[in-house]
Amino acid sequence: EAEVAQSPRYKITEKSQAVAFWCDPISGHATLYWYRQILGQGPELLVQFQDESVVDDSQLPKDRFSAERLKGVDSTLKIQPAELGDSAMYLCASRGTSGSYEQYFGPGTRLTVT
Amino acid sequence: ELKVEQNPLFLSMQEGKNYTIYCNYSTTSDRLYWYRQDPGKSLESLFVLLSNGAVKQEGRLMASLDTKARLSTLHITAAVHDLSATYFCAGPDLDSNYQLIWGAGTKLIIKP
Repeated sequence: EAEVAQSPRYKITEKSQAVAFWCDPISGHATLYWYRQILGQGPELLVQFQDESVVDDSQLPKDRFSAERLKGVDSTLKIQPAELGDSAMYLCASRGTSGSYEQYFGPGTRLTVT
Repeated sequence: ELKVEQNPLFLSMQEGKNYTIYCNYSTTSDRLYWYRQDPGKSLESLFVLLSNGAVKQEGRLMASLDTKARLSTLHITAAVHDLSATYFCAGPDLDSNYQLIWGAGTKLIIKP
């Protein structure tokens, strides 16, 4: 069964360092999402891509976060510099073109900033 | 703008009991999603409800959708410990490219 891949699964970094996360969506899924989930809360959308284009990045803290999906397939989310408050689970999801609009999630990256 | 409210936010129950989680949403929507999340893990899709009156069942979980009442329910029958998790409902915001608007989640603890 096709799955969304993410790496790394866990990342510990010191504040002010740069960190990057990678996501490979289900093959053929044109829509890709990055979410941040703080412990005990629901997921918060950071950015949505349609193919290689950003559809919505209104909640992305652009002073330190960036996201790209250069060839419309896999995607990278970067934080530079990381802050203590960035500690969270970063989730990637993809969505196909079926009418259900169901999102499929990867295993996530747990980031701890020290 | 779509708003999604879940209740209760926390539920502790005994094995063998039945209970229902409620998900209300604020504007017209023709579909609703339920996800499960285990501690430290990602989100797992449970049910996709695509029409008014839709009912889906998987084991001890049954989900339903009433688009007229703007209400979805997740019913747990004869709960077992393995169902302990956080359950989220989410609805698509038709004004935002079908982005999912999430409920706050219901943390379910089932005691032996």
